[in-house]
Amino acid sequence: KNEVEQSPQNLTAQEGEFITINCSYSVGISALHWLQQHPGGGIVSLFMLSSGKKKHGRLIATINIQEKHSSLHITASHPRDSAVYICAVSYPQGAQKLVFGQGTRLTINP
Amino acid sequence: SAVISQKPSRDICQRGTSLTIQCQVDSQVTMMFWYRQQPGQSLTLIATANQGSEATYESGFVIDKFPISRPNLTFSTLTVSNMSPEDSSIYLCSAIRHSYNEQFFGPGTRLTVL
Repeated sequence: KNEVEQSPQNLTAQEGEFITINCSYSVGISALHWLQQHPGGGIVSLFMLSSGKKKHGRLIATINIQEKHSSLHITASHPRDSAVYICAVSYPQGAQKLVFGQGTRLTINP
Repeated sequence: SAVISQKPSRDICQRGTSLTIQCQVDSQVTMMFWYRQQPGQSLTLIATANQGSEATYESGFVIDKFPISRPNLTFSTLTVSNMSPEDSSIYLCSAIRHSYNEQFFGPGTRLTVL
């Protein structure tokens, strides 16, 4: 079992839909990261969370430390949001090394 | 944010050869990492590149296969040695600036070994 589990693995939606991607982890963490990977392979860091909620434009990330669960939401989705979204965690004793989920492939159709 | 560049962006190499990937950050950073992403897989940490000393490798990765250098606070190289088709992957470097704690990623190097 992976230490970091994402769901769904694949998600296809229509433009304008509200999108939710989930991430669960098994042990206590120091921080959780949401990353975006486009087809070329480059990765962009979207959020780093240790508690609560963060918002940037149409993207919202939440984390529930007690339930060991985080969600990434996209409001008013657009085809340019199509990418792989990756959840990653770092541990207090992990020297900031990241452990990654398997990613969620999001496709937004016009 | 820090800007990270990698060279080359992609390469196609023959079995048995070696390739060195360069990672350049536009500002001094405390930590640099090298990751591998095999086709259809998630990212896996290869090693932490330590400035002025030997890299710290994760389980399953060894220095003879993936020698790493980090001569200063803005630059690192990863060499993939004696390549085989199983080494075909995207290789990414990342960096952390101590005061920010956020991890920044390079654009990746897409390697194909024939």
